[in-house]
Amino acid sequence: EAGVVQSPRYKIIEKKQPVAFWCNPISGHNTLYWYRQNLGQGPELLIRYENEEAVDDSQLPKDRFSAERLKGVDSTLKIQPAELGDSAVYLCASSLDPGLEVEQYFGPGTRLTVT
Amino acid sequence: AQRVTQPEKLLSVFKGAPVELKCNYSYSGSPELFWYVQYSRQRLQLLLRHISRESIKGFTADLNKGETSFHLKKPFAQEEDSAMYYCALTGTSGSRLTFGEGTQLTVNP
Repeated sequence: EAGVVQSPRYKIIEKKQPVAFWCNPISGHNTLYWYRQNLGQGPELLIRYENEEAVDDSQLPKDRFSAERLKGVDSTLKIQPAELGDSAVYLCASSLDPGLEVEQYFGPGTRLTVT
Repeated sequence: AQRVTQPEKLLSVFKGAPVELKCNYSYSGSPELFWYVQYSRQRLQLLLRHISRESIKGFTADLNKGETSFHLKKPFAQEEDSAMYYCALTGTSGSRLTFGEGTQLTVNP
């Protein structure tokens, strides 16, 4: 079992450019999460999906960030245009269901540097 | 609003010494607390959860609602315990996990 897969692992872009991150959750996991982790901070939830539905996107900066999970499996997170403050590690996680006690499994993350 | 505070960014102990990583939380309802760990060059993973009341790798954590704390303890630290530890909270309103800023534990030989 490969666990949660994310790509790319690293990305360096200039400000105002677009960027996209891809996540493949653990097979059978219906709930998918995107987190942003700034340097020296804990992860912060951006969006949570239950199957195809975004059920919690209150922390997603919708002016420049978008996400999709079209078939309830893979997900893509996009930033357009990127700003210097978007430099962070973007983590994807998945779980079997959204229950309070359910363990979330994290991917390795994508480290984004905006110059 | 829910909030998790880990007052120590860095903690250094010697092998065999007891270790306690502090976690305080703010939440108006009944919280569920977790400790996640990230070893060097590995992904973030669950260490233990309050609801399970179990000991993992010799670590335990007790939820103290009066003091709103969920400190992580181990009586005898090992070098392989060196890692970044995050306390996290979720509440009855849904499964949003709120993380603390993390504590980098270093266990010296």
